[in-house]
Amino acid sequence: EDQVTQSPEALRLQEGESSSLNCSYTVSGLRGLFWYRQDPGKGPEFLFTLYSAGEEKEKERLKATLTKKESFLHITAPKPEDSATYLCAVLIQGAQKLVFGQGTRLTINP
Amino acid sequence: KAGVTQTPRYLIKTRGQQVTLSCSPISGHRSVSWYQQTPGQGLQFLFEYFSETQRNKGNFPGRFSGRQFSNSRSEMNVSTLELGDSALYLCASSSSGQGYEQYFGPGTRLTVT
Repeated sequence: EDQVTQSPEALRLQEGESSSLNCSYTVSGLRGLFWYRQDPGKGPEFLFTLYSAGEEKEKERLKATLTKKESFLHITAPKPEDSATYLCAVLIQGAQKLVFGQGTRLTINP
Repeated sequence: KAGVTQTPRYLIKTRGQQVTLSCSPISGHRSVSWYQQTPGQGLQFLFEYFSETQRNKGNFPGRFSGRQFSNSRSEMNVSTLELGDSALYLCASSSSGQGYEQYFGPGTRLTVT
């Protein structure tokens, strides 16, 4: 069964303290891996798409990387406004749907 | 471009009733997907429509149905509501291109009492 697991479930950091979020996946065939950010009461906001192992994407303080088994979302020198739930999702070969992980709730304290 | 819009934003219904939610995709996007989000199960795929045809369906009972119109707008319907149907219902649209990035609307918060 296709499965996406994110860790940790929750992470609390001080402003400026860099860290990484993990997304591991077990799927029959990966067509793409997506990262989203979700603020309370809002829909997920698209961040990155990664297609093949070794690929990296960057946006401001965020960098996403992909291997054959997992993806990392690295956050460098975070600010309080980076506080949100970060969701990882995979697009399966032959299926027009995203399978989501449970998310990592990130809190950045000033 | 305007983003994905969903109406209504909030809804309170009684068990046994039915409900219809609406989604307008980003202009030019022909694919619309629906998801249910709950604290316990996270985001779960309901179904996806492309050019008025359902291309894929998740593991939800037949009480959940949807449709897409020729202008790509989509509706989902839930009949015979149950307490467990209380959730945030999210609509996402994408172009038919290789990227398949899905852009989400703000969601409809459904509460069943």
